[in-house]
This record gives sequence, C-alpha cells and structure tokens, in this order.
Amino acid sequence: QVQLVQSGAEVKNPGASVKVSCKASGYTFTSYNMHWVRQAPGQGLEWMGVIKLSGGSSIYSQRFQGRLTMTSDTSTSTVYMDLSSLTSEDTAIYYCARDGPGIDYWGQGTLVTVSS
Amino acid sequence: QSVLTQPPSASGTPGQRVTISCSGSSSNIGRNTVNWYQQLPGTAPKLLIYNTNQRPSGVPDRFSGSKSGTSASLAISGLQSEDEADYYCAAWNSGLSGQVAFGGGTKLTVL
Repeated sequence: QVQLVQSGAEVKNPGASVKVSCKASGYTFTSYNMHWVRQAPGQGLEWMGVIKLSGGSSIYSQRFQGRLTMTSDTSTSTVYMDLSSLTSEDTAIYYCARDGPGIDYWGQGTLVTVSS
Repeated sequence: QSVLTQPPSASGTPGQRVTISCSGSSSNIGRNTVNWYQQLPGTAPKLLIYNTNQRPSGVPDRFSGSKSGTSASLAISGLQSEDEADYYCAAWNSGLSGQVAFGGGTKLTVL
C-alpha cells in the first residue's frame, strides 16, 4: 500500500531554515511527482510546489521563490523540502502529497513551529 | 485571498443534498480539471473527486463533481453526520507558471 511517512515536528528560531523529509513506499517512486502543501493553524491549504521525480526539476509557488528548495533521493525514495528565512508566518503543518491524478496520497504532516 | 473562491460555510440536515461551489477563472477551472478534497478535523486531506467528476476507489457515490465554464461544484447527497468536514477545491492555474490553486475551503456542518 502507498505510504508517505514524514519526519517529526520541528521548532525553529526566526531566520533559521527547516528541512522536512518524506519517505515513500508501496509504489514506483519515480513514476509520480510529489507536491508540498502547508496549512497554517486554523487556515486553509496552501500549495508550495511540486518536484518531478523522473527528472528532478521543480516548480515553486511564487510566494516561496528564493527560499524554497525541493530535492529527492531516489536511492531511498525520499523527498525533501527545505524552507529558509523562517518567520512566524511559516508556522504550519507541512504535507508531502503524491500527484496521482489529483493529489491522491498525503503524508501525515509535519508541524513546524517558528518561535523565538 | 485564494485564487479559487468557495463559500466559507455550508450546512444541511441528514439525508439532504448539499452543494459546494468553487469559482475560478479562464486560467484555472476554465481550462483545467478540478479536484476536491475532504479534511476531517485533525487529519490530512483526502482526495474526494479528481478530474472534475471522477471518484477514487472507496469514495461513496454520494459524492459527485461537475464543472461549467469557470465554476465547479461538489454535491453530497444523502448527507451523513460523518460528512462534517472541511472541503477544498483545487485546479492547476495555467496563468501562474503552472501552479496549483486551492480554494479557501468550505466548512460543512451537519445539523
């Protein structure tokens, strides 16, 4: 069965960076692209970007241009999301999610808290 | 401000039929398919409808999707208490370098 297992919760100081991992299993890793979506407390879903795992290229939301990097390691079927220059507005649950059609499988989410 | 516009709330009684709208533009809904997600409290979103009107395996046929022009709708018939959740529409936005746009979400209350 398809599973996306994300790394654990993080607490970061303003200005720092965070790297969240997402390990996929149960399907051919490079056959599906992977999205990252975040959700601030009490708010809606916000798309961050997508990484194409067959070639490694990425498309990022303009809101995160310059401070968001998505990478992958095909040897471990793991995708990474690296967000820099954190502010309190980046406090959210971050989800990795497979592009299916539709975003068909979601990770359990990783809470990132930015606080001094 | 979301690119796709949904009503913030909707409600219905058990057994009723409820529809949730999603309004976009020619850059997104007007030229691309629409997906719908259900998010129960404290859980990750779940794909409910893909390609505008297709249900993934396991999703009851009480849920249906449609699209007309630059608007889409999710219909839930035979409303049940377990349908109380947040619902989000989404579509690729061709006008923004190929980015995914989400609606702001609709909280459905079963009275």
